[in-house]
Amino acid sequence: DQQVKQNSPSLSVQEGRISILNCDYTNSMFDYFLWYKKYPAEGPTFLISISSIKDKNEDGRFTVFLNKSAKHLSLHIVPSQPGDSAVYFCAARSFRDDKIIFGKGTRLHILP
Amino acid sequence: SQTIHQWPATLVQPVGSPLSLECTVEGTSNPNLYWYRQAAGRGLQLLFYSVGIGQISSEVPQNLSASRPQDRQFILSSKKLLLSDSGFYLCAWSRNRANEKLFFGSGTQLSVL
Repeated sequence: DQQVKQNSPSLSVQEGRISILNCDYTNSMFDYFLWYKKYPAEGPTFLISISSIKDKNEDGRFTVFLNKSAKHLSLHIVPSQPGDSAVYFCAARSFRDDKIIFGKGTRLHILP
Repeated sequence: SQTIHQWPATLVQPVGSPLSLECTVEGTSNPNLYWYRQAAGRGLQLLFYSVGIGQISSEVPQNLSASRPQDRQFILSSKKLLLSDSGFYLCAWSRNRANEKLFFGSGTQLSVL
């Protein structure tokens, strides 16, 4: 049973435009959500997070939006840059047991 | 500052051989510790996590096991590897409090042949 779902395996975006990556979750015990970026053969690096008491968090070019009623979050990258090409993972943390569950990832390609 | 060490970086093992991957964290105490595996098409799958010495929670029934003999040491083991154990193994830690992010090690690429 997938508790964190990233339904788009890949996404291509023109350089300079907005990249929007989506994530859905099913477990109402999740109260903290994170986005990570990963290059091949490396550990994921933290990008941005959001607590369930907020609906938006912004850090430079990255903004995360949370819609609790829809159990949906999204990551916006504006403007997209070539170095943003990577796999992006959405993750959710349960307040009950500190479990952190990841989605399957979305591969983002930034086109020149 | 905190650092996480994970080794080896790559490992090639025959089917049926044992496995031991080690992870240590420096610069913090009483961290939560995690083992994840990235296999083709499966994303980052949580295998084990630990909120304290000797406390291990298993997420996926399989022939792997984990131990936490010391506060900042987390070990992933197997007595007999299967072909399906191949993958990229990642150790991670977080502070033991609410709304804390994960910090990952550099990973171990395991190939079981």
